[in-house]
Amino acid sequence: SSELTQDPTVSVALGQTVRITCQGDSLRGYFASWYQQKPGQAPLLVMYGKDKRPSGIPDRFSGSNSGTTASLTITGAQPEDEADYYCSSRDSSGNYVLFGGGSKLTVL
Amino acid sequence: QTQLQESGPGLVKPSETLSLTCTVSGGSFSSDLYYWGWIRQPPGKGLEWIGRIYYSGSTYYNPSLKSRISISMDMSNSQFSLNLSSVTAADTAVYYCARLRGSYYVFDFWGQGKLVIVSS
Repeated sequence: SSELTQDPTVSVALGQTVRITCQGDSLRGYFASWYQQKPGQAPLLVMYGKDKRPSGIPDRFSGSNSGTTASLTITGAQPEDEADYYCSSRDSSGNYVLFGGGSKLTVL
Repeated sequence: QTQLQESGPGLVKPSETLSLTCTVSGGSFSSDLYYWGWIRQPPGKGLEWIGRIYYSGSTYYNPSLKSRISISMDMSNSQFSLNLSSVTAADTAVYYCARLRGSYYVFDFWGQGKLVIVSS
């Protein structure tokens, strides 16, 4: 399959936990990665592989992968976490890059 | 620390070719650990992968754009370039160049983005 599906909008109360999900057949064979994008900025890698965080990403961000679903969890959401989040993976052939449609996270 | 910077015209006429260059600094350009890619984002919309190139020169392109794309490298100047032919208004977007880490196929460093408008 050549698609990754995300819920367009997600909301969370300040300090609570939120899970952003991504579904696609390619996730059976490849880990998802997650990018955070704030208005006017380039995307920022926040999670990849089996729950790996790049340097500087807070540990309130975590990731999981199961079957055809990947999840990005933010435990104790902060105002600065309000952003668009995109999942990504290789396609089933392993040569192409897929992006999900993005999830807009609102912190209430 | 790797840094990337897009350059090129911000306005392209319909039916013409969009050409952008990405200049890489920080010393990783010739490494076999990384690929180099282009991603675009139409105003108010999501990310779309355009294609990527390896230090060997091998390329893979988004099948939906493949007939119009060419990506090339200039190792001597640590640059890679995108050509997108026969553009229309639908190609108006912010174009990003980024480093693609081969082991996990993730974009770990991005340029700031270049807005390209297709209009006469």
